[in-house]
Amino acid sequence: DIQMTQSPSSLSASVGDRVTITCRASQSISNYLNWYQQKPGKAPKLLIYTASSLQSGVPSRFSGSGSGTDFTLTISSLQPEDFATYYCQQSYSTPYTFGQGTKLEIK
Amino acid sequence: QIHLVQSGAEVKKPGASVKVSCKASGYTLTSYDIIWVRQATGQGLEWLAWMNPNSGNTGYAQKFQGRVTITRNTSISTAYMELSSLRSEDTAMYYCARGERYSGSSDYWGQGTLVTVSS
Repeated sequence: DIQMTQSPSSLSASVGDRVTITCRASQSISNYLNWYQQKPGKAPKLLIYTASSLQSGVPSRFSGSGSGTDFTLTISSLQPEDFATYYCQQSYSTPYTFGQGTKLEIK
Repeated sequence: QIHLVQSGAEVKKPGASVKVSCKASGYTLTSYDIIWVRQATGQGLEWLAWMNPNSGNTGYAQKFQGRVTITRNTSISTAYMELSSLRSEDTAMYYCARGERYSGSSDYWGQGTLVTVSS
């Protein structure tokens, strides 16, 4: 199975900050990398697919980049509703494994 | 509007089986994959299985091979996930999601079904 490692595991930031979360795959996954946001008690929400494509309805302050093994999710200017847990997921080969998550908290 | 509506919470004894349903509306079930993911309380997301409802093809995570079975009834736009030989470690929220075939991403999710395994 492909292992996905996110960093950091948690992050404190303020409204208006620029934030970057990284995700590393244990082998090359081309651009088959997705990012999800999850709030407590809710199902995950797709933000970014194929590394850099913004899902319909997701604000443009979210962006993704990378290919091969190293990927990033960037939030350009944090809004109050962005405080949540973020997961990367590889969809290169089954099982489509997730990273362990990055909890984004208010500073 | 696209919705995936899952069956209600379940409480099961160790060794029993549970079957969770996932009813799709707003799109044709056979046009997208169905993915199953679980999440123990306070933990991360764990991918269990996928199905192509059109062909019936399935794939399972090695960890769950032999214990999980994904089926569907296309006439009622519903997919099912059955997990057998339950143990306490299977206590989790189970989600179904719509899987986009090109990217492998999951764009619509059910509300989750809490499965509790307790003696």
